[in-house]
Amino acid sequence: NAGVTQTPKFRILKIGQSMTLQCTQDMNHNYMYWYRQDPGMGLKLIYYSVGAGITDKGEVPNGYNVSRSTTEDFPLRLELAAPSQTSVYFCASTHGSRGAFFGQGTRLTVV
Amino acid sequence: ILNVEQSPQSLHVQEGDSTNFTCSFPSSNFYALHWYRWETAKSPEALFVMTLNGDEKKKGRISATLNTKEGYSYLYIKGSQPEDSATYLCAFGGANNLFFGTGTRLTVIP
Repeated sequence: NAGVTQTPKFRILKIGQSMTLQCTQDMNHNYMYWYRQDPGMGLKLIYYSVGAGITDKGEVPNGYNVSRSTTEDFPLRLELAAPSQTSVYFCASTHGSRGAFFGQGTRLTVV
Repeated sequence: ILNVEQSPQSLHVQEGDSTNFTCSFPSSNFYALHWYRWETAKSPEALFVMTLNGDEKKKGRISATLNTKEGYSYLYIKGSQPEDSATYLCAFGGANNLFFGTGTRLTVIP
């Protein structure tokens, strides 16, 4: 049982480039989330999904897009990378009253 | 955007001391309150999920209480050990989403 798998672990992007952060969970969880962690700022919710085909914006959605075509996958897309998107990104999933399971994080630097 | 506040921001205690932190959250539209332990270079791990006013949860030396009417939760660590050093996050759960506080960074000095 792998839990939540995030790829890549590290990435350096140039300003204006695009990329997709992958997130897969094998626990059949309905709820999935993307967070970013900036120094001293805790975890900010970017987007979340309550099930396949349903997504919604969180606190800081600008510059990002998501899709949820299956229960397992919840990719996060950066279309035009900006230095302000330099951060550590975490994907998480939950089901019912259990706590969230987190991926290992993606450290993204935009230069 | 929900305001989930944690205090203190950081804390240093001596090994063997007991300590506690606070999480404040909106008292309306409450669904669940989560506590997580987050070690450096790792991912957050769930400690407790509490849903009912007056809930108390315990795991070893760590326990938590919940007051949904006034919008706060306390996390207690009894007899702190160096391995308890981590950032402790609380998260407010609405029906569909999960908003985190900025955490309390605990350092236990041997």
